[in-house]
Amino acid sequence: GENVEQHPSTLSVQEGDSAVIKCTYSDSASNYFPWYKQELGKGPQLIIDIRSNVGEKKDQRIAVTLNKTAKHFSLHITETQPEDSAVYFCALPEGNSGNTPLVFGKGTRLSVIA
Amino acid sequence: DADVTQTPRNRITKTGKRIMLECSQTKGHDRMYWYRQDPGLGLRLIYYSFDVKDINKGEISDGYSVSRQAQAKFSLSLESAIPNQTALYFCATSDPGVREQYFGPGTRLTVT
Repeated sequence: GENVEQHPSTLSVQEGDSAVIKCTYSDSASNYFPWYKQELGKGPQLIIDIRSNVGEKKDQRIAVTLNKTAKHFSLHITETQPEDSAVYFCALPEGNSGNTPLVFGKGTRLSVIA
Repeated sequence: DADVTQTPRNRITKTGKRIMLECSQTKGHDRMYWYRQDPGLGLRLIYYSFDVKDINKGEISDGYSVSRQAQAKFSLSLESAIPNQTALYFCATSDPGVREQYFGPGTRLTVT
C-alpha cells in the first residue's frame, strides 16, 4: 500500500512569515494530492488539492507544489495569520483507481505567533 | 444543520463495555469512513463502506465492527472496549465522482 511521510511534525512561525510542510510518498503512480486543515475541536477540512498533471496550484495565500520525479509534494502558506494555526494533513489515495480510500500523513501542528 | 453528525460527541466508558458510535449524513454521499486520531499518529482508517452493501476493513480494524444501516448512517462498535482504544474518532463521507472527504466533528472516547 501507499506510504506517506510528513514533515515537520510541529512548526512555529511569526505572523506574516511563510510556512512550508512537505510530504513524501512511495507509489510513483499516485495521481491525487490533497491537503486538509484541522482546526481545534473540529474535523479535518480539504483546503487545496492537486492532480498529477500539474506542478503547482495556488489559492490566495496557499499553494501546493508537486515533484513527481522526487515523489514529494508541499503545502506553502504565505503571509501567515493567527487563524492559520491548526493541524495540517497531507493525503494520498491508497491505490490508483477511484475506488480506494485516502492514506493520511501524521500531521503537522502549525502555530502562528502574533 | 451540519452535513455530517456524530453521536455522542464525548463518551467515557469502562473496560469491557460494548459501545456504539453513530454517524449520520445529509450530503447524499454513498461512501462513508471511520477514522481514529491519536496524537502523533495522524488519521488511521478503521473501516469504510462504498455503498449500503459494501463493508471493507481499513488499516486498524481489529477490535472494531461496523454497520451500514442506510445510505445516510454508518455506525462503529467496540464490542469490548479496552483502554488503548481511547482516542478521537471521526466519520467522513465522500461522493464516488469526487475525492474530497467531508468529516464530522468527532467523538472523543475515553476507556478507563
